[in-house]
Amino acid sequence: KAGVTQTPRYLIKTRGQQVTLSCSPISGHRSVSWYQQTPGQGLQFLFEYFSETQRNKGNFPGRFSGRQFSNSRSEMNVSTLELGDSALYLCASSLDRRTYEQYFGPGTRLTVT
Amino acid sequence: GIQVEQSPPDLILQEGANSTLRCNFSDSVNNLQWFHQNPWGQLINLFYIPSGTKQNGRLSATTVATERYSLLYISSSQTTDSGVYFCAVVVLEFGNEKLTFGTGTRLTIIP
Repeated sequence: KAGVTQTPRYLIKTRGQQVTLSCSPISGHRSVSWYQQTPGQGLQFLFEYFSETQRNKGNFPGRFSGRQFSNSRSEMNVSTLELGDSALYLCASSLDRRTYEQYFGPGTRLTVT
Repeated sequence: GIQVEQSPPDLILQEGANSTLRCNFSDSVNNLQWFHQNPWGQLINLFYIPSGTKQNGRLSATTVATERYSLLYISSSQTTDSGVYFCAVVVLEFGNEKLTFGTGTRLTIIP
């Protein structure tokens, strides 16, 4: 069974631009979560989607948004990029929301200049 | 909110050595996971272990939920074991459930 895939793997954007990242979960997994990893803040939860609805949300500003499609694929969008948004963005999928046992994709490394 | 602390923060070992990584959490949890982040950033799911003991090859993990800690054992270390090891628990905060990660243990295996 294929793992979680994320595209693109690397991205360079300019401050003020917006960016969209994509995540395809493991087949059959309907829960998709997004995380931001930075050297200073570590791994932080952004949001979780299940059945095309945002179910949980972390402590990030409204510039960070996401959505999920009927095939469980998810996208996250960051508008008005800031230098501090430079990070590794990780997507994870889960079969069972009760356990939150999660499987991660390879990540998208975003650099904002 | 719940605090998840890992120790030691850094560990440097010779190939073939054994190691024990610890994860302490400040409140009761009903799930806990261990992950290995390789040098390329990929997070690998090692164990889902809310309680009890599990083993997978050279790795094993034990969670004592009543005492709020979990241990990850790595035996006969190999250079491919290098990377950062994270434990993570699900917490409920302001009506949102989220996976909260510890600060990690960076393991370096020297050939």
